[in-house]
Amino acid sequence: NAGVTQTPKFQVLKTGQSMTLQCAQDMNHNSMYWYRQDPGMGLRLIYYSASEGTTDKGEVPNGYNVSRLNKREFSLRLESAAPSQTSVYFCASSEALRGPQETQYFGPGTRLLVL
Amino acid sequence: QKEVEQDPGPLSVPEGAIVSLNCTYSNSAFQYFMWYRQYSRKGPELLMYTYSSGNKEDGRFTAQVDKSSKYISLFIRDSQPSDSATYLCAPRMDSSYKLIFGSGTRLLVRP
Repeated sequence: NAGVTQTPKFQVLKTGQSMTLQCAQDMNHNSMYWYRQDPGMGLRLIYYSASEGTTDKGEVPNGYNVSRLNKREFSLRLESAAPSQTSVYFCASSEALRGPQETQYFGPGTRLLVL
Repeated sequence: QKEVEQDPGPLSVPEGAIVSLNCTYSNSAFQYFMWYRQYSRKGPELLMYTYSSGNKEDGRFTAQVDKSSKYISLFIRDSQPSDSATYLCAPRMDSSYKLIFGSGTRLLVRP
């Protein structure tokens, strides 16, 4: 039982390049999330998916797109990377979107540097 | 003004000390109060949570919420070097999925 896994662990991009961050969970959770973590800012929600087939914007969605490929996988795409997107990206999952079982479990993160 | 404020630290204490970590928040609608622990270069993990006001104890950890003053605390008794990490508070409303994370307090427990 690996929990939440993310690939890659670290990536360097040039401005304007695109890339997809991958996330998978093996806990049979319905809801999945993408966050970014910047110094002094805490974790901020980029996008979330309440269930397979649905996605919604979070607090900071500009410059990102997501795909909920199936119940296990939730990917985050940067179409044209900018230096402001340099950050640590975390994927998380929870059993449900709301209710007592909504504890979010986090992956190990992807460190992204945009030059 | 941020919805959730935390002193970034670092807070450095000797092993065995009692540690107090604190958050203040502005939204009186918050009902669930989570504490996450994040080790260096790792993802956050849920440590414990409380619902509404009061105390909750789990081993060496006690979470306390005072809704009248919008103040959240996490106490660690008999602190250990393995407690060295960043502690994030994250309250949320009863009707919402959304966690509002503080920026975290870095704790260093010296052997």
